Amino acid sequence: GENVEQHPSTLSVQEGDSAVIKCTYSDSASNYFPWYKQELGKRPQLIIDIRSNVGEKKDQRIAVTLNKTAKHFSLHITETQPEDSAVYFCAAYFGNEKLTFGTGTRLTIIP
Amino acid sequence: DAGITQSPRHKVTETGTPVTLRCHQTENHRYMYWYRQDPGHGLRLIHYSYGVKDTDKGEVSDGYSVSRSKTEDFLLTLESATSSQTSVYFCAISESGTSDLNEKLFFGSGTQLSVL
Repeated sequence: GENVEQHPSTLSVQEGDSAVIKCTYSDSASNYFPWYKQELGKRPQLIIDIRSNVGEKKDQRIAVTLNKTAKHFSLHITETQPEDSAVYFCAAYFGNEKLTFGTGTRLTIIP
Repeated sequence: DAGITQSPRHKVTETGTPVTLRCHQTENHRYMYWYRQDPGHGLRLIHYSYGVKDTDKGEVSDGYSVSRSKTEDFLLTLESATSSQTSVYFCAISESGTSDLNEKLFFGSGTQLSVL
């Protein structure tokens, strides 16, 4: 079935350290994998995405890696800052019109 | 904010009453979606629309219906609200809706619905 698993559900890291969130997906035909960030009380917003023909993509302190063979992709945040505290969702397309989300990771940056 | 607004922002209602949530966009995007967000479940798709009067079900569509009579408006109706439908509802829009083109979702601010 259409499924995206996300781990961990909660993550606490010291300010300045790195954070890694991992997702696995069930459909080998999926070819687009976005990540959304949701701050407390706000709407989810796209922060980075990757396509299946690319293994890694970076945007300043955030990066996403994709392993199509293993069907998993990860979000990496380096030099974490207090404003990185939020809930992060991974997602994948199934059947070309439905974006299915993971269950979310609550990231807390400890000052 | 991608020109997408949801109304109302908050609503409290009683079990068994009908409820309609509205999503309005000014971007003329073809695709519109309704998601619900619950702790431990993330964002789950209820229904989506790929054009005027063209809709399809998502993974949690039971108890919900939708209508899209104009490009800019997508309505979500709970015919007879139940306590299990207490949730935060997000509308989203996308230019293409496919994973090949401009598929990025832009979300509205959400509607907090409480069914007592």
